[in-house]
Amino acid sequence: DARVTQTPRHKVTEMGQEVTMRCQPILGHNTVFWYRQTMMQGLELLAYFRNRAPLDDSGMPKDRFSAEMPDATLATLKIQPSEPRDSAVYFCASGRDRQGHGYTFGSGTRLTVV
Amino acid sequence: AQKVTQAQTEISVVEKEDVTLDCVYETRDTTYYLFWYKQPPSGELVFLIRRNSFDEQNEISGRYSWNFQKSTSSFNFTITASQVVDSAVYFCALSGEAYNQGGKLIFGQGTELSVKP
Repeated sequence: DARVTQTPRHKVTEMGQEVTMRCQPILGHNTVFWYRQTMMQGLELLAYFRNRAPLDDSGMPKDRFSAEMPDATLATLKIQPSEPRDSAVYFCASGRDRQGHGYTFGSGTRLTVV
Repeated sequence: AQKVTQAQTEISVVEKEDVTLDCVYETRDTTYYLFWYKQPPSGELVFLIRRNSFDEQNEISGRYSWNFQKSTSSFNFTITASQVVDSAVYFCALSGEAYNQGGKLIFGQGTELSVKP
């Protein structure tokens, strides 16, 4: 089965450090999402792209977060500087227009900021 | 605004019991899509089903069944003869008319199902 690949799976970093999370969407998928999951807020949409163009990043704190798709095979989510409240699981998902099923999620990056 | 409400935070059942997970949604779109995802203890999100707003037929897949009722804006999920492997967090999600153009998913808060042997 085709999979969405996220790296790293786990990341522990100190407050103030830059964090970069990477996502390789499924080949041929033209929509990519970044979601954040916390106990308090559940699954929140941070940003998403269609055909590599950002469609909506209103859920993302702009002062410290940035999301990009340098090419069709790579999406990145950066946090600079990181803060303890950024500790969460970050999921990437990909999909294709008019597909017959839901988006496919990666295994997530578990980020801990100490 | 679009919203998904899963009022049941946690449910605990004994194996072989039937269990229904509730999902109520809000949207102003005339065309929309509803989803269920499963998140087992390993953490990944697994797609279970997608329904569009024009298809109110109930669906059955093995021990899983879904009841979609537009009149009550509900899309409930029933597991028949539950098994320990069904223990997971289940999320209901909604996407509006833009889904077929890469529209975003709005998730409910999830229901944690615990099936005890």
